[in-house]
Amino acid sequence: GAGVSQSPSNKVTEKGKDVELRCDPISGHTALYWYRQRLGQGLEFLIYFQGNSAPDKSGLPSDRFSAERTGESVSTLTIQRTQQEDSAVYLCASSFPGSSYGYTFGSGTRLTVV
Amino acid sequence: ELKVEQNPLFLSMQEGKNYTIYCNYSTTSDRLYWYRQDPGKSLESLFVLLSNGAVKQEGRLMASLDTKARLSTLHITAAVHDLSATYFCAVITGTASKLTFGTGTRLQVTL
Repeated sequence: GAGVSQSPSNKVTEKGKDVELRCDPISGHTALYWYRQRLGQGLEFLIYFQGNSAPDKSGLPSDRFSAERTGESVSTLTIQRTQQEDSAVYLCASSFPGSSYGYTFGSGTRLTVV
Repeated sequence: ELKVEQNPLFLSMQEGKNYTIYCNYSTTSDRLYWYRQDPGKSLESLFVLLSNGAVKQEGRLMASLDTKARLSTLHITAAVHDLSATYFCAVITGTASKLTFGTGTRLQVTL
């Protein structure tokens, strides 16, 4: 597609439920990133994919968080047993590896845990 | 660990005025990026600075990079209301591919 697509755009879930967030990167972008942005704050790195492997998952905050990528395309970020502190906007970005042009970001998924 | 700091965190300025946002980072970097974020929206790429002394300009915004000082500036000339947004700098170091973001500067331009 023309841009990075994320779904859903908004998600409200009850504490303790699992959620899945989806990212469709730009076609041909082999690098994919997940970031988290809490209200009024900066971006926290979560995980980086190169192709289908994740050489850097150092930002995942706990073992409740996991992500996978298939077909060097779609990625899914899964949060198990959601907690209120998981409420944030989850942003996905993609790029060519080592690209000098930086990342292209999706519009994000706003997750609210009630 | 790479740290990226911006100041100020919040800037309220009148239309027509000039101001500068500063971005400091803690380790040697090859590339520095500036992004804009409007409320409730995603990030829009503004500038990519690839070498020491690089200067890029787009409209009323001008970004520069001093790799020796580990400092980038985003200068706003004759601000207009449409520039109100949050501005982030971000840095890539060495062989790492991930961008490390600054804390952001929320700019409010008042009429």
